[in-house]
Amino acid sequence: EAQVTQNPRYLITVTGKKLTVTCSQNMNHEYMSWYRQDPGLGLRQIYYSMNVEVTDKGDVPEGYKVSRKEKRNFPLILESPSPNQTSLYFCASSLSAVYEQYFGPGTRLTVT
Amino acid sequence: QKEVEQDPGPLSVPEGAIVSLNCTYSNSAFQYFMWYRQYSRKGPELLMYTYSSGNKEDGRFTAQVDKSSKYISLFIRDSQPSDSATYLCAMSDTGGYNKLIFGAGTRLAVHP
Repeated sequence: EAQVTQNPRYLITVTGKKLTVTCSQNMNHEYMSWYRQDPGLGLRQIYYSMNVEVTDKGDVPEGYKVSRKEKRNFPLILESPSPNQTSLYFCASSLSAVYEQYFGPGTRLTVT
Repeated sequence: QKEVEQDPGPLSVPEGAIVSLNCTYSNSAFQYFMWYRQYSRKGPELLMYTYSSGNKEDGRFTAQVDKSSKYISLFIRDSQPSDSATYLCAMSDTGGYNKLIFGAGTRLAVHP
């Protein structure tokens, strides 16, 4: 089954404790992206990657890091999480055109 | 002012009603317009895609774009309880992967 998977689905952590949210796709997609979704603000792009070893900032990259060492994986790293990073996070992938994005099921992160 | 404005709702309608969902935008360079549907606790999924102005129909769904008014709409005919979800509009200027801007989403509830 073609899909984007994220782990963990739910995470509660404390300020400053480094964490990684994994994202994997099995569709051989070139493009991958991370979004955060907050009430009233919609989906905002954090980082995106056009291919292995090629990443770039989206609209809200502060406090996040990413890496793309393999085509299928695109982990999101929070080196020192803060409460304002409490949010619902989505990973997405796309073969080419921007409108064909496939989203993962989401990761709900709470930073206390 | 946000680039894309979308009424958050909630919008509650009886089964069988015609639903109209709308977004306005300020960037006249937007050319690609999308509607995503997001069920509770799920990632968004692409519902409709249109390029430039005009209408596009797919079953019970019709997407309209009026670039002169900077206004897009999604119509749902014969609405069903299974249509209950949050509907997100999204737009892009170049179609480039890093340029997708989402509205905040409208929550729709269709009651039997």
